[in-house]
Amino acid sequence: DQQVKQNSPSLSVQEGRISILNCDYTNSMFDYFLWYKKYPAEGPTFLISISSIKDKNEDGRFTVFLNKSAKHLSLHIVPSQPGDSAVYFCAARKGGSEKLVFGKGTKLTVNP
Amino acid sequence: EAQVTQNPRYLITVTGKKLTVTCSQNMNHEYMSWYRQDPGLGLRQIYYSMNVEVTDKGDVPEGYKVSRKEKRNFPLILESPSPNQTSLYFCASSWTGGFLNSPLHFGNGTRLTVT
Repeated sequence: DQQVKQNSPSLSVQEGRISILNCDYTNSMFDYFLWYKKYPAEGPTFLISISSIKDKNEDGRFTVFLNKSAKHLSLHIVPSQPGDSAVYFCAARKGGSEKLVFGKGTKLTVNP
Repeated sequence: EAQVTQNPRYLITVTGKKLTVTCSQNMNHEYMSWYRQDPGLGLRQIYYSMNVEVTDKGDVPEGYKVSRKEKRNFPLILESPSPNQTSLYFCASSWTGGFLNSPLHFGNGTRLTVT
């Protein structure tokens, strides 16, 4: 049973526009959410996180929104840059757990 | 430079031939973990370790072993590899398993092919 779902395998946007990556989860016990970015031939790198007590967290061009009632989070990148082209993984932690559950990833392509 | 180092980066082997993928981190992290990445399946956890001599199964531990004799090292052992273990493997570490203010740092991956 997939507890963290990224339903869009890929997304393509123009440079300078907004990129919105979505993630849905099923387990209401998840209390901490993270986004990781992965370039080819490299390991994932941490991007941004949000606790379930918040509904928004911002870091420069990256903003994560959390809608707990809908069990949905999204990552906004504004403005998008070609260097943002990568696979983005959503991950979630169950309260008190030492494990992260990852989604399948969304490949973002930002066209110049 | 703070990093997680995996070796080898690429490995081709045959069914049944024991192999070990090494992982070392230089950040004095207590928590270490192994993941595999497969097309359409994302990242799935194999094993994790909260500290020296403490290991636990992740979501897909079958066919794998790990050990944590030293804080910095967390090798992944395949006693009898099979073709369904062909995958891209990542080692990761963090200060704590809770991940609050302590995100996972990943190695660059090991691409394993079992024929």
